[in-house]
Amino acid sequence: GAGVSQSPSNKVTEKGKDVELRCDPISGHTALYWYRQSLGQGLEFLIYFQGNSAPDKSGLPSDRFSAERTGGSVSTLTIQRTQQEDSAVYLCASSLAYGDYEQYFGPGTRLTVT
Amino acid sequence: QQQVKQSPQSLIVQKGGISIINCAYENTAFDYFPWYQQFPGKGPALLIAIRPDVSEKKEGRFTISFNKSAKQFSLHIMDSQPGDSATYFCAASGSSGSRLTFGEGTQLTVNP
Repeated sequence: GAGVSQSPSNKVTEKGKDVELRCDPISGHTALYWYRQSLGQGLEFLIYFQGNSAPDKSGLPSDRFSAERTGGSVSTLTIQRTQQEDSAVYLCASSLAYGDYEQYFGPGTRLTVT
Repeated sequence: QQQVKQSPQSLIVQKGGISIINCAYENTAFDYFPWYQQFPGKGPALLIAIRPDVSEKKEGRFTISFNKSAKQFSLHIMDSQPGDSATYFCAASGSSGSRLTFGEGTQLTVNP
């Protein structure tokens, strides 16, 4: 079956602009995660959704970052007033249900802030 | 206490050799330990995972060894192949549905 998909695959934006990154989880997966992968910081957790609610958003680095999930499926990560330090690969993962540990990752969105 | 420490940072082995990557953790609440394989330009792919109730898990050429008392776990890749050349990440999770905490990654190169 189809895996986790993310769009766009690449995004170049100017400093100060807002960006939206989209994640489509595996069909039927109720848990969804956002991570960020950058040089020097490795893979870091951003936010977790169970259904449409976010029980854990403690990894969001600042209030410029927000995420939502609608219909228990697609999620959007929004970064407002982008800064150069936001440049990274943003990865989305999903798992089948609460209680299921296995997380499956999408290909990521490479964000470059110029 | 949330960190997972991974070593080595890079590893070069010959085709047919054994690749060994090690991880250590501090948080005793961690109870799920997966390994991910990542090729350039791709997302991490789940390779193999272990729970602390067993000391070893083997899937094909990949084996996880787990030492609960030492709070360490390792990935062994037997008969390493050039196609195994990738970055490997260990990770840990503390409860169902919770975040993964990743190690720093190991860049593995298998020479033909």
